[in-house]
Amino acid sequence: EVQLVESGGGFVQPGGSLRLSCAASGFTFSDYGMSWVRQAPGKGLEWVSAISGSGDNTYYADSVKGRFTISRDNSKNTLHLQMNSLRAEDTAVYYCAQQWVVLKYQLDYWGQGTLVTVSS
Amino acid sequence: DIQMTQSPSTLPASVGDRVTITCRASRSISRWLAWYQQKPGRAPKLLIYDASSLESGVPSRFSGSGSGTEFTLTISSLQAEDFATYYCQQYESYSGLTFGQGTRLEIK
Repeated sequence: EVQLVESGGGFVQPGGSLRLSCAASGFTFSDYGMSWVRQAPGKGLEWVSAISGSGDNTYYADSVKGRFTISRDNSKNTLHLQMNSLRAEDTAVYYCAQQWVVLKYQLDYWGQGTLVTVSS
Repeated sequence: DIQMTQSPSTLPASVGDRVTITCRASRSISRWLAWYQQKPGRAPKLLIYDASSLESGVPSRFSGSGSGTEFTLTISSLQAEDFATYYCQQYESYSGLTFGQGTRLEIK
């Protein structure tokens, strides 16, 4: 059974940093692209970033480019999102999701999400 | 970037109704479109991929159609558990994934 479990969310002041993690199980992690998708309170879904199975290729939404860094550790079946220079508008539930081919496939499985709150 | 526009934003309906949600892309995305269902406090769940392929385990009352720039999600006979928010999403471009703004299906 595919499982994706996010962690690392919390409360942070504007300008601060946070590192999210997504622990994967139930599939061969290195075979799959992965994405982060976020959802601000009461709003719709917004794709944030994606990474290929090998980790060689990374992609970012314009809204986070230069501030967020996606990475993965295939030896530990873990996906990360390093978030720097956080802004109030980054407040959202962050989901990790599995994608067979990065950016060219549907998001088959999603984690339960982790809440990030950016506020002074 | 490819923009996705869903209509309507809110859809009042009753159990047993046949409902259709439309999603339009700002340029052709062939059939690279998925539909998701999201209930409050829960993660989105994949319903349809490649515009019309039903995800395993999803009831057959859900169906998708379309290609190019116009797509539809149809629920043939609404059940109580179908009241939720539905999103379309394109995966045609390496510029990134984009979602529609969502359609909230509510009880009339």
